[in-house]
Parts: sequence; C-alpha cells; structure tokens
Amino acid sequence: NAGVTQTPKFQVLKTGQSMTLQCAQDMNHEYMSWYRQDPGMGLRLIHYSVGAGITDQGEVPNGYNVSRSTTEDFPLRLLSAAPSQTSVYFCASSYGGGAGYTFGSGTRLTVV
Amino acid sequence: RKEVEQDPGPFNVPEGATVAFNCTYSNSASQSFFWYRQDCRKEPKLLMSVYSSGNEDGRFTAQLNRASQYISLLIRDSKLSDSATYLCVVNQAGTALIFGKGTTLSVSS
Repeated sequence: NAGVTQTPKFQVLKTGQSMTLQCAQDMNHEYMSWYRQDPGMGLRLIHYSVGAGITDQGEVPNGYNVSRSTTEDFPLRLLSAAPSQTSVYFCASSYGGGAGYTFGSGTRLTVV
Repeated sequence: RKEVEQDPGPFNVPEGATVAFNCTYSNSASQSFFWYRQDCRKEPKLLMSVYSSGNEDGRFTAQLNRASQYISLLIRDSKLSDSATYLCVVNQAGTALIFGKGTTLSVSS
C-alpha cells in the first residue's frame, strides 16, 4: 500500500515548456485534489475531482489543466510554464464524506 | 476575506508549556474540520478531526464552535517534537480542503 505517489520529486523547467505532474493513489479514494504551496501563502487549491470523469476548479486554476480518467490517477498539466508557477505542488486523496486527506510527498518545481 | 484565518505566530514556548491555537472560517456551509501538522519541507499530515462535542487525542484537544465559526487546538505539556506548523482546515461537501496559512510553533528546551 503506497498511499499517494507523486512524480517527479524535483523539476526545473524553462519558461514556455510544458509538463505533467503525476499523482497516483492505491487506496480507491474517490476524492483527489492538487494544491500549490508558496511562502507566506499557505496551501491553495488548484483543481479537484470527486470521482473519475469529474473535475472542478479551485482557487488558483489558471495555467493548469487536469483530467481524471481513472480512480487511481489525477495528473496536473502545465501547458506553458511561467516563473510564477515556481512552487511546491501537493496531491491529496480521500474517501470523502468528511474523512481527512492523505497527501503525497510533493513536487518541487522551479521555472526559470 | 480569506475563508480560513489563523494567527501565523510564531509561538515560541518552553518544553512543558500549554499552547492554544485559534482559527476562524467564513463559510457556514463548511461541514468537516481538521487540524493538520506540517514539518519543514514535508507534506501536511492529519493531526486530528474536530467535532462540536470536542475531542481529545493524548496531549491534544480540539474544539469546534459552529455558531461562532471558530476552531481551536490546545497542546498540553509541549514537547520539542511538537515544533511544526499547524494548519487549520475546513471542508465543504463535494469539494476539497481549504487551508489556513498555518501557525508556527517552536518548542525550546
């Protein structure tokens, strides 16, 4: 039981490049979400999903796309990276219904 | 106004002290409430859920006041290992967690 697995752990991108941050969970959780964490800003919700095929925007969705084709996977796509997207990204999952979330160990992204 | 507000601290306390953190939330539709702990450069980890009846887990006591939209966390007999950032978190049905910015605790010997 691996929990929530995020890859890569570290990434450096050039402005304008695209990439996908991977998130996978093996707990059969319906709810998954992506957050970014910046100094002094706390964790801010980017996108979330309440089940396969269902996604919605959070507080800071601009510049990011998501899809949820399976229960296990919830990738986050950066279409054209910008320096403002330099951050630590966390993926989390939950059974829902008031249960707490389990977080992955994060991806540290730098855009130069 | 941010949905979840916390005193950022830092709180600097000696070992053995009792420390209390407070949090307010703005959305009355919030249904679930939590305290998470985050160590430096690590992922947040669930410390405890918070219920209106109050709940206790060892040295930690959490309380929710729905009428005042207020959440608290009390840590008794602080240990060096309690040094971390404590995150107040709320959840509305069918959405995702909304985090406060966190309160930093530093326990010294």
